[in-house]
Amino acid sequence: QVTLKESGPVLVKPTETLTLTCTVSGFSLSNARMGVSWIRQPPGKALEWLAHSFSNDEKSYTTSLKSRLTISKDTSKSQVVLTMTNMDPVDTATYYCARIRDSGDYRWFDPWGLGTLVTVSS
Amino acid sequence: QPVLTQPPSASASLGASVTLTCTLSSGYSSYRVDWYQQRPGKGPRFVMRVGTSGIVGSKGDGIPDRFSVLGSGLNRYLTIKNIQEEDESDYYCGADHGSGSNFVWVFGGGTKLTVL
Repeated sequence: QVTLKESGPVLVKPTETLTLTCTVSGFSLSNARMGVSWIRQPPGKALEWLAHSFSNDEKSYTTSLKSRLTISKDTSKSQVVLTMTNMDPVDTATYYCARIRDSGDYRWFDPWGLGTLVTVSS
Repeated sequence: QPVLTQPPSASASLGASVTLTCTLSSGYSSYRVDWYQQRPGKGPRFVMRVGTSGIVGSKGDGIPDRFSVLGSGLNRYLTIKNIQEEDESDYYCGADHGSGSNFVWVFGGGTKLTVL
């Protein structure tokens, strides 16, 4: 059974750096045609894709937040870490990680973690 | 990159059918989109991918046969027949664009489906 679990602080202060960890089980981060993405959802709002890390070490970031985001993986620990610098109250959201599956022709997210709510407040 | 537009809400009576729409921005009529279901308080779940010829690949695990998709022009549709209470969810469409380090995903604003 494939599962992903997000972990990290519940509360961060403005200007601080957020570090979130996604721990996966049921598959390896070195498996071909697989990866992990981070996606967030502000309360009552839509999903917003943030970044991905793929098995071939490919990485990409959403354009609007690229300067603040870093994604990395530790295959031996089955973990993908997302850091976001200079946090602001507008970054308050539930942060999800999701497995990326690749058919060779297209990619999709399946499954998703349960998410972790991060609140930015002084 | 494409912009995906979804109506904010939809409703249907128990046992009826409903069709949700995701509209791609102009110039992206060949794009396929994924549908995701998000039940209240839960993480999203992959439903299926749709292109202009219909479903692409397989449905997500546990997605019943009552769910189907179609694509036409810039529109991608998710139809749910014989609606059940557990179908009351937010439904998002999403699409990928680019390649390599320029690979990005975009999501629509979501449609909240209410079962009456």
